[in-house]
Amino acid sequence: EVVMTQSPATLSVSPGERATLSCRASQSVSSNLAWYQQKPGQAPRLLIYGASTRATGIPPTFSGSGSGTEFTLTISSLQSEDFAVYYCQQYNNWPLTFGGGTKVEIK
Amino acid sequence: EVQLLESGGGLVQPGGSLRLSCAASGFTFSTCAMTWVRQAPGKGLEWVSVISGSGGSTFYADSVKGRFTISRDISKNTLYLQMNSLRAEDTAVYYCAKYLDCVWGNYRHYFDDWGQGTLVTVSS
Repeated sequence: EVVMTQSPATLSVSPGERATLSCRASQSVSSNLAWYQQKPGQAPRLLIYGASTRATGIPPTFSGSGSGTEFTLTISSLQSEDFAVYYCQQYNNWPLTFGGGTKVEIK
Repeated sequence: EVQLLESGGGLVQPGGSLRLSCAASGFTFSTCAMTWVRQAPGKGLEWVSVISGSGGSTFYADSVKGRFTISRDISKNTLYLQMNSLRAEDTAVYYCAKYLDCVWGNYRHYFDDWGQGTLVTVSS
């Protein structure tokens, strides 16, 4: 099983600042990585797939990068609606696996 | 508009069974690959199972293999998850979701529309 490790567990950021979230895979997953956003009481929302392709309707303030074992989700300028938990998911190998999540909170 | 509505959750005793349903609308369910993902209270996401658009391919997490069965009824536009031999660690909100563009294939296993979830509690 590919273990996905996200860091940090919690990120405190001021509105308007940049947030950088990391996701590391225990073995190469090529570019087969997705990012999701989840707000309290809501279902997850697909942000990024293919490590860097934004899903429909996702603003360009969200960007993904990386390949192999190291991936990054960057939110260029945090808006109030961006404070949430973010998960990475690899789909290179079965079973599909998610990271433990990074909570982005208001500083 | 895509809609996914889960139902069937509730309280069940350890060792018991439950069948979850996910009613789909707003897209061509009959050819759409689907998945179940769960989230234990206060925890992260855990993938459970997937089924291809044809229903001919299914995959399961090791934690549920042999106990859970994913299936679909095209005539009812409904996805199911039959859960047997339930354990306390199966307690979670269960989400159904569809594959992006409904496409099943290598390296396409990510999900763009999700239901709101149904809570399963396994406890005596």
